[in-house]
Order: sequence, then structure tokens, then C-alpha cells
Amino acid sequence: DIVMTQTPLSSPVTLGQPASISCRSSQSLVHSDANTYLSWLQQRPGQPPRLLIYKISNRFSGVPDRFSGSGAGTDFTLKISRVEAEDVGVYYCMQASQFPYTFGQGTKLKIK
Amino acid sequence: QVTLRESGPALVKPTQTLTLTCTFSGFSLNTSGMSVSWIRQPPGKALEWLALIDWDDDTYYSTSLKTRLTISRDTSKNQVVLTMTNMDPVDTATYFCARIRAVDIVADFWGQGTLVTVSS
Repeated sequence: DIVMTQTPLSSPVTLGQPASISCRSSQSLVHSDANTYLSWLQQRPGQPPRLLIYKISNRFSGVPDRFSGSGAGTDFTLKISRVEAEDVGVYYCMQASQFPYTFGQGTKLKIK
Repeated sequence: QVTLRESGPALVKPTQTLTLTCTFSGFSLNTSGMSVSWIRQPPGKALEWLALIDWDDDTYYSTSLKTRLTISRDTSKNQVVLTMTNMDPVDTATYFCARIRAVDIVADFWGQGTLVTVSS
């Protein structure tokens, strides 16, 4: 199984400042079709996960443009350009390039 | 508008079999490229992917849980059913179903989840 490792596990951020979360996979996520199926999900307290980013860098419908994704191969990053209060929650990376799909441990974003 | 809703017992006893149903609308599992997955989350812990069934009725399972899981579908009812045998207190979790869109292999819509507690 592909292991997804996120850092940091907790990230205190000042409102209006940027935030960055890293996700590393134990093997390349490049699929046989040449795509990389790495997505980012946000889970606000008491809510189900919500899709933010798919295939490394594609924002899902309705996701603010302060969220961006980047990376390749085994190293990926989610960036929030200016953190807002509604961004508090846990962020997960998820790989779907190979079965079984796997998630990172989650990164808790909180406001300083 | 895509929606998914999980249903099932809130409490099961150890060694019992859990049966959960995901009822969805806004898409069809008869449509090429559509799949449904189950994912769970123990209280305060991370997400764990469990199983997937696709438009071709192919099924895929978590490596560690595959001997205990069965996923099936009823396309006439727009439902996907997950059974998990030999339940244990460590299986206490919120169980989510999600649509997987094959063209991007992404879990784009999720249900609200259902909390299952395993206790005698």
C-alpha cells in the first residue's frame, strides 16, 4: 500500500498569513495513464470532508482561489495564500493512483 | 445535484456483522466512470479508505480489511451496501460514502456520515 505522510501535523497560522501543508507518498503517484491522482480535502469541525483540489492542482467547483496545489511524483503541497477564519479544520491528502486508495494522517490548521 | 446519505445501525455488538447502506441521487452507477467508495473515521482520527464499487460492478478493498468487507450495489434503488463482519470496538467510527468520478479519480461528493459504535 502507498503510505501518505503529511507535515506538519498541526499548523498554527495568523489570520491573513499564508499556510503550507506538505504531503509525501512512499512511491510515485504517476498513474499508467500519465496522470497523478492526488487530491486535497478539507474537513471542518463536525463536517464531512470536502474536496478542494484534484489531480495535484485543479481547484474543485466553488473552492476559493486562495487555495492552490502543486507538486509531482512523490512530493505535493497545498498552499493557502491568506488564511481566513473559515479555513480552520483538518486537511487531508489522498492518493487514488493505485488501489487501495490511501489518505495522509491529516494536518490540523488552527488560528494563532 | 449529487447527494449521498449513509444509513445503518448506530450500535452493534462485538462479533456482529455491520450492514450500511449508501443511498445516492444525481448520478447513476450504470453510467460509465461512476463509482462509490466507503471511507471511515474513528473519533478524533484520520480517514481510512475501505472499499469501492464501480459502474462495471468491479470491487476493490482495503488490504487490511478485505477479508471482512463486502461491497455491493442495487442500481435500481441507487444504493450501495457495505457489510463488515466480526465487528470489534476498534471499528467504532463514522462511516462515509463518497462518489468517485473516474475521469479524475476523485471523491467529489460525500455523505454526512453515520456514526457506528461497537459495544456490548
